[in-house]
Amino acid sequence: EPEVTQTPSHQVTQMGQEVILRCVPISNHLYFYWYRQILGQKVEFLVSFYNNEISEKSEIFDDQFSVERPDGSNFTLKIRSTKLEDSAMYFCASSEWGILGTEAFFGQGTRLTVV
Amino acid sequence: AQKITQTQPGMFVQEKEAVTLDCTYDTSDQSYGLFWYKQPSSGEMIFLIYQGSYDEQNATEGRYSLNFQKARKSANLVISASQLGDSAMYFCAMREASGGSYIPTFGRGTSLIVHP
Repeated sequence: EPEVTQTPSHQVTQMGQEVILRCVPISNHLYFYWYRQILGQKVEFLVSFYNNEISEKSEIFDDQFSVERPDGSNFTLKIRSTKLEDSAMYFCASSEWGILGTEAFFGQGTRLTVV
Repeated sequence: AQKITQTQPGMFVQEKEAVTLDCTYDTSDQSYGLFWYKQPSSGEMIFLIYQGSYDEQNATEGRYSLNFQKARKSANLVISASQLGDSAMYFCAMREASGGSYIPTFGRGTSLIVHP
């Protein structure tokens, strides 16, 4: 069964460093999302991406964050100058369509720890 | 304002019994979709079940069913015959069409523990 793949599963980085979280969405999906979940808290929307551009972003997704689809398969989230509070589980998701009845399939998540 | 409210931070159930996880939502849209996801301790998010706002019948997927009460804006997840492997966090989510966005938004989750 097709699945969303995220790498790495766990990343530890020093405060102030840049990290790139990688995702391979399901191949025929057109809509891609990044969410984050701070430990024990709700799943928060960061950004959605369609047709090679950001279609929606939340207040959390400020200039520190960027997304890119560098080739036909990968979808990346870059976090510049990481802060301690960026420590969280980051989920990539994709859906075939962006319409109401389409479920989003999630990857396994990348646990980011900023020290 | 919270779009999705899950009032039960934690629930306990005996193995083989049924359990209901509550979810209420807030939207002014007529068209929306409701989803439930399971997050085991390993961390991944697993899609369980979907209910469309215009669906007249409650959605069912195996042991999962969604008790959809549109007038009350509730979409409770019912798990029948609980199994130990059902122990996990459960998240209710909604897609709505407000502003042309269909971004799924999530509730805070309910932690379910199934006792043997």
